[in-house]
Amino acid sequence: QKEVEQNSGPLSVPEGAIASLNCTYSDRVSQSFFWYRQYSGKSPELIMSIYSNGDKEDGRFTAQLNKASQYVSLLIRDSQPSDSATYLCAPWDTGRRALTFGSGTRLQVQP
Amino acid sequence: DAGVTQSPTHLIKTRGQQVTLRCSPKSGHDTVSWYQQALGQGPQFIFQYYEEEERQRGNFPDRFSGHQFPNYSSELNVNALLLGDSALYLCASSLISGEGEQYFGPGTRLTVT
Repeated sequence: QKEVEQNSGPLSVPEGAIASLNCTYSDRVSQSFFWYRQYSGKSPELIMSIYSNGDKEDGRFTAQLNKASQYVSLLIRDSQPSDSATYLCAPWDTGRRALTFGSGTRLQVQP
Repeated sequence: DAGVTQSPTHLIKTRGQQVTLRCSPKSGHDTVSWYQQALGQGPQFIFQYYEEEERQRGNFPDRFSGHQFPNYSSELNVNALLLGDSALYLCASSLISGEGEQYFGPGTRLTVT
């Protein structure tokens, strides 16, 4: 049984649009959540963390967390072609003290 | 301030051989976690080292073992390599007090033929 679910995509958006990336998780994982960006052939890069319900904004990125619905999302405003990458959702598993990754959503930003 | 480093970058091995991968954590970090990432998948947790001991382990066989040195650097060893071990191996650096904020190295791409 998968613990973290993400739409594999690709999610295609035009340059300047808002990209919305979604993630659902099982109730076995922790209450801390992380978003990583991974360019093709590279390693994951931490871009956002969120620990409590609601929104957290950092530049063009906004993370949203709803623990009751077991749902976390990442919004990218004013999407740029350089945002084209795979975005990995990673809840923190307190028991295992490890990140539990989804398979990622591939985002394509069209110029 | 040096980030997480890993060596080698790429490695090609034959089935049945053994391999050792190396990682140096970010300056100031005391914990190293290892992940395996197969093509098209998210990283899968192998194990975590803190104070030179394996603290947590994922669902990986005993062929996967590791070590942490007093300077916090770490090694991942894989014995009796299988074709299915071909993957990107990622080292993640963190503080033991941090709740999941991990920083990844560039990874080692292992190909088993």
